[in-house]
Amino acid sequence: EIVLTQSPGTLSLSPGGRATLSCRASQSVSSNYLAWYQQKPGQAPRLLIYGASTRATGIPDRFSGSGSGTDFTLTITRLEPEDFAVYYCQHYGASPGTFGQGTKVEIK
Amino acid sequence: EVQLVESGGGLVKPGRSLRLSCAASGFTFSTYTMNWVRQAPGKGLEWVSSISSSGSSIYYADSVKGRFTISRDNAKNSLYLQMNSLRAEDTAVYYCAKAVRFLEWLFDYWGQGTLVTVSS
Repeated sequence: EIVLTQSPGTLSLSPGGRATLSCRASQSVSSNYLAWYQQKPGQAPRLLIYGASTRATGIPDRFSGSGSGTDFTLTITRLEPEDFAVYYCQHYGASPGTFGQGTKVEIK
Repeated sequence: EVQLVESGGGLVKPGRSLRLSCAASGFTFSTYTMNWVRQAPGKGLEWVSSISSSGSSIYYADSVKGRFTISRDNAKNSLYLQMNSLRAEDTAVYYCAKAVRFLEWLFDYWGQGTLVTVSS
């Protein structure tokens, strides 16, 4: 089972800033089957990125994903107030679909 | 519009049972793998169980294997989770999540969740 480690645990930034979130896998992720989800307080997670870099339907282009193998990055440019949330990466290439522990992006 | 609506959560004593339901609409339910994912208070996401479109393939997390049973009724567009021998560590919000076709572990739609609290 692939273990995903996200860093940092918390990111304190100002609106308009740039967020760079990391997700490292314990072994290579096949076919870049790596997804990112956003979760706001009291809400269900929302799929942002899949295939490491493909935005899901309706996701604004300030969200971008990159990486391959064991190292993946979610970048949010020009942080909007609604972007302050917790972000999870997930490996979905095989059973089970393991999640990282999450990175909280908070307002500085 | 895809909608997933969970129900059945509540306060239950350790060792007791509870059955969660998820009502689906806005897509052809019978053709998609469905999942349960949970989140303990203040914690991250934990996949719990998965059932294929026909119900022929079922998977469980080790933490619930032997205690939880996932099922579905395609005629009723509904997903279920029977939870037996509940423990305090099962306390969580339980989400119903739809998988992407042919990518059973990628979840594109989630319900709002139902809270299960296991406490004496």
